[in-house]
Amino acid sequence: KAGVTQTPRYLIKTRGQQVTLSCSPISGHRSVSWYQQTPGQGLQFLFEYFSETQRNKGNFPGRFSGRQFSNSRSEMNVSTLELGDSALYLCASSYPSDEQYFGPGTRLTVT
Amino acid sequence: GENVEQHPSTLSVQEGDSAVIKCTYSDSASNYFPWYKQELGKRPQLIIDIRSNVGEKKDQRIAVTLNKTAKHFSLHITETQPEDSAVYFCAASRSSGNTPLVFGKGTRLSVIA
Repeated sequence: KAGVTQTPRYLIKTRGQQVTLSCSPISGHRSVSWYQQTPGQGLQFLFEYFSETQRNKGNFPGRFSGRQFSNSRSEMNVSTLELGDSALYLCASSYPSDEQYFGPGTRLTVT
Repeated sequence: GENVEQHPSTLSVQEGDSAVIKCTYSDSASNYFPWYKQELGKRPQLIIDIRSNVGEKKDQRIAVTLNKTAKHFSLHITETQPEDSAVYFCAASRSSGNTPLVFGKGTRLSVIA
């Protein structure tokens, strides 16, 4: 099976702009989770989508949002970008098993 | 919510020695405990996991142990090799998506040849 893919791989944005990241899960997986990875904070959970519904949500501001489509592909959006949003954004797919498989990530740089 | 503490943050071992990384969790209802390895510039990869109905699990040079009473679990790597050098993350959750995976902050393992 093809692995989890994410696009784009790299992004440079300016403060105040918004950005949309995409994640395509492994075929047959119905859950997509999103994480923010930074050197100081490790992997922090943003949200999880299952069957087009947000099932779990982490402690991030409302500027971070997401959605899932009927084919299980997911997008996350960050509005009004701040310098602190610079990070590697990882998605992971799973279900029906608990095992999560990560994509390569999108490296977002906010200037 | 769940909180996972991971120690040590860095670990250096000589090639051939063993390495042990320990994690504690706070939610007594957590029952799924995976370990991920992340090499520099690459995605985290699941290397082993354990569920709360099992006390120990092995896969070649890697083993994980779980102590539900003490709420801690550990990763053991024997006969370490330079390619084991990476950042290792532990995580915990209640299975079947009831709660999200909560990760420890990672351990940077360096295996010195």
